Amino acid sequence: EAQVTQNPRYLITVTGKKLTVTCSQNMNHEYMSWYRQDPGLGLRQIYYSMNVEVTDKGDVPEGYKVSRKEKRNFPLILESPSPNQTSLYFCASWTGGNRAFFGQGTRLTVV
Amino acid sequence: AQTVTQSQPEMSVQEAETVTLSCTYDTSESDYYLFWYKQPPSRQMILVIRQEAYKQQNATENRFSVNFQKAAKSFSLKISDSQLGDAAMYFCAYILNRDDKIIFGKGTRLHILP
Repeated sequence: EAQVTQNPRYLITVTGKKLTVTCSQNMNHEYMSWYRQDPGLGLRQIYYSMNVEVTDKGDVPEGYKVSRKEKRNFPLILESPSPNQTSLYFCASWTGGNRAFFGQGTRLTVV
Repeated sequence: AQTVTQSQPEMSVQEAETVTLSCTYDTSESDYYLFWYKQPPSRQMILVIRQEAYKQQNATENRFSVNFQKAAKSFSLKISDSQLGDAAMYFCAYILNRDDKIIFGKGTRLHILP
């Protein structure tokens, strides 16, 4: 089954404690991206990857890191999370011009 | 700047009625794709409909159809015979063929009144 698997679904952490949200897709898609969703702001792109080892900043990259060492995986790293990073996060993958497939979302709370 | 504007943050419609969600976008490109995604309370993002910008014919998918006006850069979604399961947040988005970045609007929350 074609899917994007994102883990964990829920995460509560403390300020400053490094965390990683994993994202994996099984469709051999070139493009992958991370978004955060906040009320009234819609989906804002954090980082975007066009292929292995090729990434680009989105609209809100501050405080986040990504890597794309393999085509299927695109983890999101928060080196020192802060409360303003409390949000709903989505990973997505797609191939040129086609629909994006989304992960199930990660609800992150930073206290 | 490339933007997508959904001017209605919230809408309500009576069950079985028809509702139209508006979307406008701004790009100087001519080669792109447009999408509507639905996000029910489960948070899952579900593709509703896709439109290729080079096609003049409006896309339809069962009760869902779009009114695509390329010159006006408008891409509205019409939901016919609204059902309770249509209650969700709806996002309009496009992908430029040049760089394949997806640009999303801020969403319209649709309520279905029984």
